[in-house]
Amino acid sequence: KREVTQIPAALSVPEGENLVLNCSFTDSAIYNLQWFRQDPGKGLTSLLLIQSSQREQTSGRLNASLDKSSGRSTLYIAASQPGDSATYLCAVSATGGGNKLTFGTGTQLKVEL
Amino acid sequence: EPEVTQTPSHQVTQMGQEVILRCVPISNHLYFYWYRQILGQKVEFLVSFYNNEISEKSEIFDDQFSVERPDGSNFTLKIRSTKLEDSAMYFCARTDGKGLAGGGDTQYFGPGTRLTVL
Repeated sequence: KREVTQIPAALSVPEGENLVLNCSFTDSAIYNLQWFRQDPGKGLTSLLLIQSSQREQTSGRLNASLDKSSGRSTLYIAASQPGDSATYLCAVSATGGGNKLTFGTGTQLKVEL
Repeated sequence: EPEVTQTPSHQVTQMGQEVILRCVPISNHLYFYWYRQILGQKVEFLVSFYNNEISEKSEIFDDQFSVERPDGSNFTLKIRSTKLEDSAMYFCARTDGKGLAGGGDTQYFGPGTRLTVL
């Protein structure tokens, strides 16, 4: 059974700091990896999608990397802002898995003024 | 790309009652998914639906659950006889389906329906 783990579970940083969120997964036979943001009581907002053939994707202040061989992905957030406070989830889809996503437990980020 | 919309936003029901949760695509998407998130736990896959058929389902998706797209537009999840443990946020998601069997595409999630079973 594929497992996705996110470390740390919670993180508090001062505004302006650069930070890295980690995601690890068992079984490197993934099709893609997706990072989401979830605000309390809300739905999931897609941030970045990395195909298994790609090494990284960038969107604004966000950069996600993927290392399939080691089963790891990182989400780098530059110049963090209080509005970045949310729970960040990573999810992987498996080859031959019809694109169903297996989610991690998330990292709860708080960016303080 | 806009997400799907879901109704209702919150549903309260008595144990043993049937509930229907609705997902309304904004455009003519082909690939749909249902996930659930029990409070404080991971988001879990329930079922995927392509071209009006179930393409994959999880162990959670037992005989109490069913999905359909009755009018070719709304995509529904029905729970026939709700249990206390069905209390969760239920999310509908869709992809554009440009990739192979929907794979490789970004999944866009709706805002969710909070189901409370009393």
